[in-house]
Amino acid sequence: KAGVTQTPRYLIKTRGQQVTLSCSPISGHRSVSWYQQTPGQGLQFLFEYFSETQRNKGNFPGRFSGRQFSNSRSEMNVSTLELGDSALYLCASSGDSHNTGELFFGEGSRLTVL
Amino acid sequence: EDQVTQSPEALRLQEGESSSLNCSYTVSGLRGLFWYRQDPGKGPEFLFTLYSAGEEKEKERLKATLTKKESFLHITAPKPEDSATYLCAVQAHSVDSSYKLIFGSGTRLLVRP
Repeated sequence: KAGVTQTPRYLIKTRGQQVTLSCSPISGHRSVSWYQQTPGQGLQFLFEYFSETQRNKGNFPGRFSGRQFSNSRSEMNVSTLELGDSALYLCASSGDSHNTGELFFGEGSRLTVL
Repeated sequence: EDQVTQSPEALRLQEGESSSLNCSYTVSGLRGLFWYRQDPGKGPEFLFTLYSAGEEKEKERLKATLTKKESFLHITAPKPEDSATYLCAVQAHSVDSSYKLIFGSGTRLLVRP
């Protein structure tokens, strides 16, 4: 069974640009979450989607947005990039009907903003 | 505010030297506490879920325990391949059953041969 796939793995952008990251969850999983990981702040929750609906959102500015498609694939977008947006962006999927919180993470998209 | 604090930040052990990692938490209604392992350049890998005080889970050399205020990850006779960052996370009860996890900053474990 294939794991969570994130693309691209690495990307470099400049301030003011925008970026779109993609996540393909494990087949059959309907929940997709996004996290930002930085050395200073650790792993921080961005948002979670379930069946194309955003169920929860973390404390990030509106420049961070996401969506989920009918096949459960998800994208997140960051507009007007700032230097502080440099981070590892992790996607996680879950298909646990009992909501145990067991998340399966991808290897992440490492974004560098210059 | 929900919060997770892990200690120590870093831990160096000799192979075979047992130790424990600590995760203290404050959360408005604990739904679950989770331990993950993260290797450099990889995403976190799920290890355990604990739901209530007194619960214990084991996997190979790892054993996780839970009290009302903290969790411990005990590592017995560690091997170099156990070197990784260990992350603790909590999930609070929510009306929408969403998967929002609050993570601690992690403990970087290095096991020397």
